[in-house]
Amino acid sequence: NAGVTQTPKFQVLKTGQSMTLQCAQDMNHNSMYWYRQDPGMGLRLIYYSASEGTTDKGEVPNGYNVSRLNKREFSLRLESAAPSQTSVYFCASSRDTSYGYTFGSGTRLTVV
Amino acid sequence: AQSVTQLDSQVPVFEEAPVELRCNYSSSVSVYLFWYVQYPNQGLQLLLKYLSGSTLVESINGFEAEFNKSQTSFHLRKPSVHISDTAEYFCAVSAHNNDMRFGAGTRLTVKP
Repeated sequence: NAGVTQTPKFQVLKTGQSMTLQCAQDMNHNSMYWYRQDPGMGLRLIYYSASEGTTDKGEVPNGYNVSRLNKREFSLRLESAAPSQTSVYFCASSRDTSYGYTFGSGTRLTVV
Repeated sequence: AQSVTQLDSQVPVFEEAPVELRCNYSSSVSVYLFWYVQYPNQGLQLLLKYLSGSTLVESINGFEAEFNKSQTSFHLRKPSVHISDTAEYFCAVSAHNNDMRFGAGTRLTVKP
């Protein structure tokens, strides 16, 4: 049982380039999330999807877009990368908030 | 919105000593509380959670946390730590919705 799978694991972008971070879960969870992790700031919610076909902004959505392609997949897109988006990005999923979240292993993104 | 404050960014401790990682939360509604652990280069893993009922909750590896409503705290404790407990620990709060907020993290270092 793979859980939550994120690709790629590492990426270096030049300022202004675009890219999509992929996330897939095989636990039949309804809700999926994208967080970014920065030193001393913990994890901050970028976007979430409570169910297939719906997406909502989190705490720090600016500069990002998301797509809930189907129940399994939730992608995060950076249209024009900026150095401030250098971070570690985590995807997570949950059956229900009371169960807690299952996290992927992260994507380390550097924007130069 | 709810918020979490982890009072210590780093906690060094010797092996077999007790440890307490402190967490305070703020919310105007009832909440679920969680502790997650993150080992180097990995995603977060759920350690334990408080939903309702008994205010003392335990994990399978000897950690426990106590929900204190009057002090709005959810401190994590372990009576005797091991080298393998070295990791970063995150406290999180959710107001029964899809907006789980995380603290900045506490880096626990267990020294021999």
